[in-house]
Amino acid sequence: NAGVTQTPKFQVLKTGQSMTLQCAQDMNHNSMYWYRQDPGMGLRLIYYSASEGTTDKGEVPNGYNVSRLNKREFSLRLESAAPSQTSVYFCASSGVRQGYYNEQFFGPGTRLTVL
Amino acid sequence: AQSVTQLDSHVSVSEGTPVLLRCNYSSSYSPSLFWYVQHPNKGLQLLLKYTSAATLVKGINGFEAEFKKSETSFHLTKPSAHMSDAAEYFCVVRELSGGGADGLTFGKGTHLIIQP
Repeated sequence: NAGVTQTPKFQVLKTGQSMTLQCAQDMNHNSMYWYRQDPGMGLRLIYYSASEGTTDKGEVPNGYNVSRLNKREFSLRLESAAPSQTSVYFCASSGVRQGYYNEQFFGPGTRLTVL
Repeated sequence: AQSVTQLDSHVSVSEGTPVLLRCNYSSSYSPSLFWYVQHPNKGLQLLLKYTSAATLVKGINGFEAEFKKSETSFHLTKPSAHMSDAAEYFCVVRELSGGGADGLTFGKGTHLIIQP
């Protein structure tokens, strides 16, 4: 099992460009998440998907959109990148079955720089 | 609403000495609590989780944490630090809100430095 995979690993964009971060999991998990990590801020939830076909906003959704393409894949799109979106982005998944104590499994991250 | 506070942004210990990383939480309900570790340029890995079955939770690599409801704390400890323990550690709380959000709330992290 590969677990949670993310592409690309690194990306440099110019302000105003768009891009899509890809995430896939092979653990048959129902829930998937996108976080951003900034120095001294911990991880902050951008969007999540509790199940295939549903998505909801997290703490910092502005400037992002998501698509839960199927049970395995959850993509994050930046329509018009801004320097404030320079960050490390993590995808996570959780839960073959609903459970309050389910931990999340994280991908290796995408380092995004917006110039 | 839930929140989590990691009381130290940096902790430095000598190899072979005990490690203590402190975490306090606030939660309206009985929380679900986790500790994750992040090594440089890596993703997050689960160290341990509190599931209400036992207040003392043992995790991987010799780490353990004790849930103390009266103190609203979930401190992470290890008897003897190893150089490979140098990393960022995150205390995390989950509370099922009325809106059904399933995301976790992360502390800001504690950077553990191991001196040779």
